[in-house]
Amino acid sequence: QSVLTQPPSASGTPGQRVTISCSGSNSNIGRNAVNWYQVIPGVAPRLLIYGSYQRPSGIPDRFSASKSGTSASLAISGLQSDDESDYYCAAWDDSLSGFYVFGTGTRVTVL
Amino acid sequence: QVQLVQSGAEVKKPGSSVKVSCRASGVSFNTYPVNWVRQAPGQGLEWMGAITPLSGAKNFAHKFQGRLTITADGSPASIYMDLSSLTSEDTAIYFCAVKGGGHCIGGDCYSLDFWGPGTLVIVSS
Repeated sequence: QSVLTQPPSASGTPGQRVTISCSGSNSNIGRNAVNWYQVIPGVAPRLLIYGSYQRPSGIPDRFSASKSGTSASLAISGLQSDDESDYYCAAWDDSLSGFYVFGTGTRVTVL
Repeated sequence: QVQLVQSGAEVKKPGSSVKVSCRASGVSFNTYPVNWVRQAPGQGLEWMGAITPLSGAKNFAHKFQGRLTITADGSPASIYMDLSSLTSEDTAIYFCAVKGGGHCIGGDCYSLDFWGPGTLVIVSS
């Protein structure tokens, strides 16, 4: 059971902005950077955001992220049909002996 | 060109073990944690554990402790994930993944830039 909670779904029409939340705790988001991944069925996950705010090269600036306290969010602006997939937040958790944890995942649908 | 290569699909009986390998070209495995992540059918991503080949340091998700072994062998390293006491709930695609470069400390080393193509493991009697 994940300690990072996301809404199961989000949707928008082409061109709209969609935001996905990720709620954690002091031992993970509260102390460590958040990463975001895009997962398309049958394809290896793709890193969208690292260090809570940074985009790897090749990731369009339509994807942006923020973090405040024990929560984080991913925003997709100018929504495109290609954006329809699953999105996961992730962070290192300092509890126990330390572990990496993914969020529960959010399915984004382009209407 | 960075590429992670994984071993092929496996079909296993309940109670048995499976060993999946991962090796890299174009990126050094040695200094970053090499992670194993799985995705069961219709389920989310699940982090299993990681090994940093240079130091030998390992971290495991609590639920896998006792039946997950991660090892590194050779130079350049190949990474192995060995999961024992398999049940049908272990049917999943298993990915290896690693940070691609840059300085990092602690949890920052787990931004996973590069992923293997995945290895399908089916557990069925």
